[in-house]
Amino acid sequence: AQTVTQSQPEMSVQEAETVTLSCTYDTSESNYYLFWYKQPPSRQMILVIRQEAYKQQNATENRFSVNFQKAAKSFSLKISDSQLGDTAMYFCAFMYGGSQGNLIFGKGTKLSVKP
Amino acid sequence: GAGVSQSPSNKVTEKGKDVELRCDPISGHTALYWYRQSLGQGLEFLIYFQGNSAPDKSGLPSDRFSAERTGGSVSTLTIQRTQQEDSAVYLCASSLNGGATLGNEQFFGPGTRLTVL
Repeated sequence: AQTVTQSQPEMSVQEAETVTLSCTYDTSESNYYLFWYKQPPSRQMILVIRQEAYKQQNATENRFSVNFQKAAKSFSLKISDSQLGDTAMYFCAFMYGGSQGNLIFGKGTKLSVKP
Repeated sequence: GAGVSQSPSNKVTEKGKDVELRCDPISGHTALYWYRQSLGQGLEFLIYFQGNSAPDKSGLPSDRFSAERTGGSVSTLTIQRTQQEDSAVYLCASSLNGGATLGNEQFFGPGTRLTVL
């Protein structure tokens, strides 16, 4: 079975600083994608970044980047120059080939950016 | 274009009543998913629709839960004889073609917060 673990229930960071959110996963699949989704208080889940398992290069999207360690089954999210609008729940999620495309989520990390 | 919409935004019901939750996916998306988000938990997959194929109901927690998707578009999630443990946020998502393309982005609606008293 596939599992996703986020070991940090809550984190805080000062505005303009950098923060890293952790995620580990367990799978025997070789073909899969990993995602980070953001859920602000409005409840609207928004895709932040995704990584294909076959790609060695870490994905980046503006201030967001990942550190994908395939052998260690680790997929952390780094947010640089944190902004107040980054305050949200962040969910790590996994999708594997042969599934119906449904996402398997971790329990989330609540990030607070402080002014 | 319009995103995924869900209604109602909030629903309060009494234990034992039936409820219907509605999802309007993005036009042209063939895949539709329902997830449940209980307090302090991640999202739990409930059911998946892909085009005209039979739905994948493997995530439904009990036979009190059912869903349908009419005309390949709007979907309704029905919970019969609601229980207090059914209280959660129910999220709907759509994607262009679901599991046919690994890595498809799922676009989520704002969810329905269900409270069972």
